[in-house]
Amino acid sequence: GIQVEQSPPDLILQEGANSTLRCNFSDSVNNLQWFHQNPWGQLINLFYIPSGTKQNGRLSATTVATERYSLLYISSSQTTDSGVYFCAVSSNTGKLIFGQGTTLQVKP
Amino acid sequence: ETGVTQTPRHLVMGMTNKKSLKCEQHLGHNAMYWYKQSAKKPLELMFVYSLEERVENNSVPSRFSPECPNSSHLFLHLHTLQPEDSALYLCASSPLGTGVNEQFFGPGTRLTVL
Repeated sequence: GIQVEQSPPDLILQEGANSTLRCNFSDSVNNLQWFHQNPWGQLINLFYIPSGTKQNGRLSATTVATERYSLLYISSSQTTDSGVYFCAVSSNTGKLIFGQGTTLQVKP
Repeated sequence: ETGVTQTPRHLVMGMTNKKSLKCEQHLGHNAMYWYKQSAKKPLELMFVYSLEERVENNSVPSRFSPECPNSSHLFLHLHTLQPEDSALYLCASSPLGTGVNEQFFGPGTRLTVL
């Protein structure tokens, strides 16, 4: 099956800093999603981005499908950005395969 | 949170109890999913329902029994659970046949088995 690797596993930032999270996947996909899991466990959809670039406020994402990776950019980070960021992919089966996540802590 | 709802949000049960988790989606989707997230681990897919038919059972023990009576509702019936089944159980839904199969998640049920 498809393997998903996220890096870095942990990230500590000072408020206001920028960061880049990476997601590598091992096979062709037709769905790629980025999620933010808050401390209460809620998975919040950030981007549906099987290819191309999208931006939403301070967040943006780019997926290069031919090279099998996606990047999530967080600019001017805030303490409320803290939590776990998951990348998940699926192929034709529709089954989402999740990476191990990046745990982000933003300090005031 | 109004897109996909789950009840209860927290559940504590003994190993001999029988309980059910409920999921409801208000997005007009026709595929629904159950995921399990153990502590410090990524989500693991348990079951997939497409048009109310189970299309995926990811080697889940029989003490977990899903039910999908219609495209808006999904249940997970629990019986004779083990302490290692303690986890966050997340429900999700997605459209089918539109070319965009983005999944949306509920808030989860945090289950503790004593």
